[in-house]
Amino acid sequence: SQTIHQWPATLVQPVGSPLSLECTVEGTSNPNLYWYRQAAGRGLQLLFYSVGIGQISSEVPQNLSASRPQDRQFILSSKKLLLSDSGFYLCACRQGRKDTQYFGPGTRLTVL
Amino acid sequence: GDSVTQMEGPVTLSEEAFLTINCTYTATGYPSLFWYVQYPGEGLQLLLKATKADDKGSNKGFEATYRKETTSFHLEKGSVQVSDSAVYFCALIIGAGGYNKLIFGAGTRLAVHP
Repeated sequence: SQTIHQWPATLVQPVGSPLSLECTVEGTSNPNLYWYRQAAGRGLQLLFYSVGIGQISSEVPQNLSASRPQDRQFILSSKKLLLSDSGFYLCACRQGRKDTQYFGPGTRLTVL
Repeated sequence: GDSVTQMEGPVTLSEEAFLTINCTYTATGYPSLFWYVQYPGEGLQLLLKATKADDKGSNKGFEATYRKETTSFHLEKGSVQVSDSAVYFCALIIGAGGYNKLIFGAGTRLAVHP
């Protein structure tokens, strides 16, 4: 079964600074990968998904971008963070055509 | 559009009490349904799932039955423990093939006291 790693676990950044969050997956190949955000006291919102290297789809317009430089690596970035970017960011993986998504441990981002 | 509605929390129970967390959905077609659990400070873990009408998902004493006629997927447990304290998310999946998107409810926080 797959294992999902996220780095870093927590991050405190000033407004206007850049961001790079990393998600790596072990134990599977050609996964579909997802970035979700959980704002304080709210549910989860899908931000990006990727079906393969270099293929990124965005669900909502925002200050963030995603990239997939390798099969099992998914990166979430921003050039200039906003206060509203604070939240808990979760990476998820889906194998092949199975319907279940599995989640990583998350990164808690606080923008001050 | 597709959506999931959960009962608002927090739900506060004593240990060994019966738990029900209501979940209803709106979707075109027949989506797969999921319950995920999030323990404090952690990511989401799949708790159980059901893929078609009348299916019952179960895990760790939790159960939920896919009810097409009422578009519901209520989570139940006969006797909760303090260790069950967490946030529970109901979700459905839409799409097929390469595109596959989870739609989540807002989450229900459960607090179990000794």
